[in-house]
Amino acid sequence: GAVVSQHPSRVICKSGTSVKIECRSLDFQATTMFWYRQFPKKSLMLMATSNEGSKATYEQGVEKDKFLINHASLTLSTLTVTSAHPEDSSFYICSAETSGPYEQYFGPGTRLTVT
Amino acid sequence: KQEVTQIPAALSVPEGENLVLNCSFTDSAIYNLQWFRQDPGKGLTSLLLIQSSQREQTSGRLNASLDKSSGRSTLYIAASQPGDSATYLCAVPQGAQKLVFGQGTRLTINP
Repeated sequence: GAVVSQHPSRVICKSGTSVKIECRSLDFQATTMFWYRQFPKKSLMLMATSNEGSKATYEQGVEKDKFLINHASLTLSTLTVTSAHPEDSSFYICSAETSGPYEQYFGPGTRLTVT
Repeated sequence: KQEVTQIPAALSVPEGENLVLNCSFTDSAIYNLQWFRQDPGKGLTSLLLIQSSQREQTSGRLNASLDKSSGRSTLYIAASQPGDSATYLCAVPQGAQKLVFGQGTRLTINP
């Protein structure tokens, strides 16, 4: 099946710094990738839809200047959390969409802890 | 706006039992429904995807059904094993691409 990787799997950073998370589709090309956030014991919340070569589409309430998304190639999307604060600590999961049939495959997630 | 509800929120059963997880959605105009498994601290693993034209899909001990008209799907797990312990999520598309997830059912299979 389709494989999606994320790097890093865990990251701890200090408040005020920026952190970049990578999402890669390893064995297929994905024109569309998605970024989700998951709080403990909660379901996934879609943050933004990332389309290769164009600007990301952010969900209501998600600050685009804080969560920068770049989808520079058909196999890589990045999420940069800028000026991170402790409330940004969360589990971030990406997914990549195959075409025909449209199905999303999920990465293993990145645990971000801001101290 | 699509809303997805999963019942029960948590379920604990002895090993070997057959069990059913439920998922309901408010907008029946979907073109597929997916069931996922999530282990603690891990990402999501896709278990089954049912297209809107299908009524059920099977994979090993798992069987998922879809009743679009009533806005319901069930995930049936046969002969449960401790390794089946995880959170199970169902999700449906809202619009062309966005997935809307249920809150999940935390399943524990006791040896």
